[in-house]
Amino acid sequence: KAGVTQTPRYLIKTRGQQVTLSCSPISGHRSVSWYQQTPGQGLQFLFEYFSETQRNKGNFPGRFSGRQFSNSRSEMNVSTLELGDSALYLCASSLGLAPYEQYFGPGTRLTVT
Amino acid sequence: AQSVAQPEDQVNVAEGNPLTVKCTYSVSGNPYLFWYVQYPNRGLQFLLKYITGDNLVKGSYGFEAEFNKSQTSFHLKKPSALVSDSALYFCAVIGGFKTIFGAGTRLFVKA
Repeated sequence: KAGVTQTPRYLIKTRGQQVTLSCSPISGHRSVSWYQQTPGQGLQFLFEYFSETQRNKGNFPGRFSGRQFSNSRSEMNVSTLELGDSALYLCASSLGLAPYEQYFGPGTRLTVT
Repeated sequence: AQSVAQPEDQVNVAEGNPLTVKCTYSVSGNPYLFWYVQYPNRGLQFLLKYITGDNLVKGSYGFEAEFNKSQTSFHLKKPSALVSDSALYFCAVIGGFKTIFGAGTRLFVKA
């Protein structure tokens, strides 16, 4: 089975712009979660989607949003980018909601200048 | 509040020696606990999990973890470390329907 794929792998944006990241889960997986990883804050939960519905949300501002499509693929969007948004954004898929284990993609490295 | 702590930023061990990476948790209700590993320039990989049952859980690459309810701990162990085990290890707990990750422990295995 193919693993979780994320596109693009690298992005460079300037402050004020917006960005959309894409995630394709493992075939058959219905849950997709997004995380932000930074050296200072570690891994922080953004949101989780299951059957096209957002099930859980972390403590991030409304500039961070996401959605899930009927084929379980997911996108996350960050509007009005700030320097502090520079991070590795990880997508993870699982068969269902917790306590299933998650399978992570390689991440999208976002740099905001 | 649900939380997970990894008290050591870094663990150094010689190849062939046993290794332990520590994790403690705080969660209401029954804990669901996980260990993940992140190799350089790669995403996180699932190692093992505890849901219920036997307190000693065996996982990938020869790793195991011991669930201790009284000490609220879930330490990761391996009897004989390999240089290739050098990576960043994360403990995680399900809390409030969300996966909460620890800060991570960097493991260095010296040849």
